[in-house]
Amino acid sequence: NAGVTQTPKFQVLKTGQSMTLQCAQDMNHNSMYWYRQDPGMGLRLIYYSASEGTTDKGEVPNGYNVSRLNKREFSLRLESAAPSQTSVYFCATRRAGGRNEQFFGPGTRLTVL
Amino acid sequence: AQRVTQPEKLLSVFKGAPVELKCNYSYSGSPELFWYVQYSRQRLQLLLRHISRESIKGFTADLNKGETSFHLKKPFAQEEDSAMYYCALSGLDTDKLIFGTGTRLQVFP
Repeated sequence: NAGVTQTPKFQVLKTGQSMTLQCAQDMNHNSMYWYRQDPGMGLRLIYYSASEGTTDKGEVPNGYNVSRLNKREFSLRLESAAPSQTSVYFCATRRAGGRNEQFFGPGTRLTVL
Repeated sequence: AQRVTQPEKLLSVFKGAPVELKCNYSYSGSPELFWYVQYSRQRLQLLLRHISRESIKGFTADLNKGETSFHLKKPFAQEEDSAMYYCALSGLDTDKLIFGTGTRLQVFP
């Protein structure tokens, strides 16, 4: 089992470029999350999806869009990247019911020039 | 408002010294508290959850509802404990986690 995987691992963009960060899980979990990690600010929730076909905004959704096309995959899109979006992005999953433990992917380090 | 506060950005100790990473929270219902750890350039992984009342890698954490705290403790720090530690909060009526800003623990030889 790969758990939670993310692609790419690293990316450099120029201001205004677009890209999609991919997240996939083989844990059969219903809920999936996108966070950004910035020094001194911890992890902040961008978007989450409680189940296939549903998405909701988190704490910092501006400048991002998401897609949950199936249970396994949850993608994060930056339509027009800005330097303020330079960050490390983590995807996470959580199974339905039970405890709130989340399982994290390895992260994508994004730099916007 | 729901909030998790980790007052220390950096905690430096020598090997063998006791360690306490502080976490305070604000939550109106019954909270579920977690400690996550992130070793250098690795993914976050769960270290402890308060409902399990377990000791992992020598770390323990007790939920103090009166003081709204969930401090992480270890009696004798090891160099391999050097990492970023995040306290996180959830509740019975939500499937989201609220993270603190993290504390970097440095253990010197």
